[in-house]
Amino acid sequence: GAGVSQTPSNKVTEKGKYVELRCDPISGHTALYWYRQSLGQGPEFLIYFQGTGAADDSGLPNDRFFAVRPEGSVSTLKIQRTERGDSAVYLCASSLYSRGEAFFGQGTRLTVV
Amino acid sequence: DAKTTQPNSMESNEEEPVHLPCNHSTISGTDYIHWYRQLPSQGPEYVIHGLTSNVNNRMASLAIAEDRKSSTLILHRATLRDAAVYYCILRGLTQGGSEKLVFGKGTKLTVNP
Repeated sequence: GAGVSQTPSNKVTEKGKYVELRCDPISGHTALYWYRQSLGQGPEFLIYFQGTGAADDSGLPNDRFFAVRPEGSVSTLKIQRTERGDSAVYLCASSLYSRGEAFFGQGTRLTVV
Repeated sequence: DAKTTQPNSMESNEEEPVHLPCNHSTISGTDYIHWYRQLPSQGPEYVIHGLTSNVNNRMASLAIAEDRKSSTLILHRATLRDAAVYYCILRGLTQGGSEKLVFGKGTKLTVNP
């Protein structure tokens, strides 16, 4: 596809469950970012990958959150033991190089009930 | 992370110019000024960026103060589709600078027909 693709677009899960959110970046983009956005707030940085490695994971709120990008393309954000406070829109972005224009996906709306 | 200050909201009339201000008094010499916007229910999209000189592209113009402590995003003729939250972001160039985009709350632009 032409843009950043995120699946699923919506996810409803029960408190305590495990969820995986997927991001397909633009082909050839080496940099990949995860953000989350609560209602009325700007996107909050979670983690940044350069290639396969996490270059900056300073935004991950706690050890329930983990992200991987094993082949330097698709990335998965994993959340264990979900809490109601994890409910938000999770955004993924990619860029051709680390300081280039970032292209964002439409996001995954996660609702923890 | 260098911080920016923007008004919470602004209003404009359709087909009139809009000037969106941003203050960044702590900007360092190698920080680029980036603007992104986020339409309702969408991920953010790149608008424009600059370092010292004014910049123009098909979407907007960026006017940067001589001391670089402030900048203005200019939409020459606002349309209803320009209604969005506009984010002004500083992005470091040096190796020690942040690779990530740090979003504030932005300016919510309302365009009246």
